[in-house]
Amino acid sequence: QVQLVESGGGTVQPGKSLRLSCAASGFSFTKYAMNWVRQAPGKGLEWVALIGYDGSFKYSADSVKGRFTVSRDNSKNMVYLEMNSLTVEDTAVYFCARPLRYFAYDGLDVWGQGTVVTVSS
Amino acid sequence: DILMTQTPLSLSVTPGQPASISCKSNQTLLHSDGRTYLYWYLQKPGQSPQLLIHEVSSRFSGVSDKFTGSGSGTDFTLKISRVEAEDVGVYYCMQSVQLRLTFGGGTKVEIK
Repeated sequence: QVQLVESGGGTVQPGKSLRLSCAASGFSFTKYAMNWVRQAPGKGLEWVALIGYDGSFKYSADSVKGRFTVSRDNSKNMVYLEMNSLTVEDTAVYFCARPLRYFAYDGLDVWGQGTVVTVSS
Repeated sequence: DILMTQTPLSLSVTPGQPASISCKSNQTLLHSDGRTYLYWYLQKPGQSPQLLIHEVSSRFSGVSDKFTGSGSGTDFTLKISRVEAEDVGVYYCMQSVQLRLTFGGGTKVEIK
């Protein structure tokens, strides 16, 4: 079945780095752009980053620009989020999510279960 | 970025009664391709968001017909015809007319 599984979360100190991974299965991964969305404790949903189906197009929120980098490995059906210079405001559950249609930048229909990132000294 | 404003912040509903959630955007969600990129999600406690409605009024696969989306341009509504215990959670609207996806602040629905 169609599935996204995030991993790599944990507790890190401010200023440190962390790399999140998202493993995709059950669909033609190479046809879909992928997104990262986060949710701070008790808060709403915030889009973080987008990567195009072939990795040539990347886009990120102003709040993480210059610190977070999205990438993908289509040979492994994986998406990554490299997070540098982390601050306490980056504490959140991070979801990867797939658009509804392939070859489109669309609403999101498939979400992973999320991975928790805690930034604390 | 497009600002999405949801009202009310919370709803307490008697089982079997209807509920309505409003979502307004500060820019039109009508794309030049003719589609309107407005979505509704439900996030049940402890779970990931699940898609209910796409492009204003199309129910996603497997979604009950008690959920109805409507609206156009900048003004949208999600209606639940008969709220049941399984509908409890936070409802979000979201736009994708711009690549920078933005979400409404959420409406928490609970049962009386």
